[in-house]
Amino acid sequence: QQQVKQSPQSLIVQKGGISIINCAYENTAFDYFPWYQQFPGKGPALLIAIRPDVSEKKEGRFTISFNKSAKQFSLHIMDSQPGDSATYFCAASNTNAGKSTFGDGTTLTVKP
Amino acid sequence: DTGVSQNPRHKITKRGQNVTFRCDPISEHNRLYWYRQTLGQGPEFLTYFQNEAQLEKSRLLSDRFSAERPKGSFSTLEIQRTEQGDSAMYLCASSLNTGFDGYTFGSGTRLTVV
Repeated sequence: QQQVKQSPQSLIVQKGGISIINCAYENTAFDYFPWYQQFPGKGPALLIAIRPDVSEKKEGRFTISFNKSAKQFSLHIMDSQPGDSATYFCAASNTNAGKSTFGDGTTLTVKP
Repeated sequence: DTGVSQNPRHKITKRGQNVTFRCDPISEHNRLYWYRQTLGQGPEFLTYFQNEAQLEKSRLLSDRFSAERPKGSFSTLEIQRTEQGDSAMYLCASSLNTGFDGYTFGSGTRLTVV
């Protein structure tokens, strides 16, 4: 049972454009929603995260939008740069339970 | 502290052999996780420790897989009688007890079973 669905699978944007990646979850017990960035040959690295009591969180060029009623959240990358080219994973966890459930990832390519 | 360290980085083994991977977490993190990642997929939960106690194991973790975290420090993941389907990247991560700080992942151990 896939509890976190991520889309699109791949995304190509021009330098300076906005990249948007979407995720949907099913388990209402989830209380922490992080996004990870992964480069080839490396482990995922925490990018930004949000709790369900907040509808938006911004850190630099990265923003998470969260819609609790729709059970959806998204990552927006403003002014996308070629260095942002990577695979992005959304995740959801119940912090009492410990483990996280990950989406299948979005491969972002930013063209110069 | 240099982050989460995993060894070896790569392992090629013949089918049927046993392999063991090691993970050294960030020293102040008391939670440690093992995940498996195959090409084109997100990390898949295998097991999780809080200090030395193994609190949860995925149903995906067959009896050929065993993990330990003696004294709540480093952890080992052993796969017995490896199969070609075990080929994957094995990721270790650690976090603080609150769970609201996200994971710090290691660079993983890539296992190839031939």
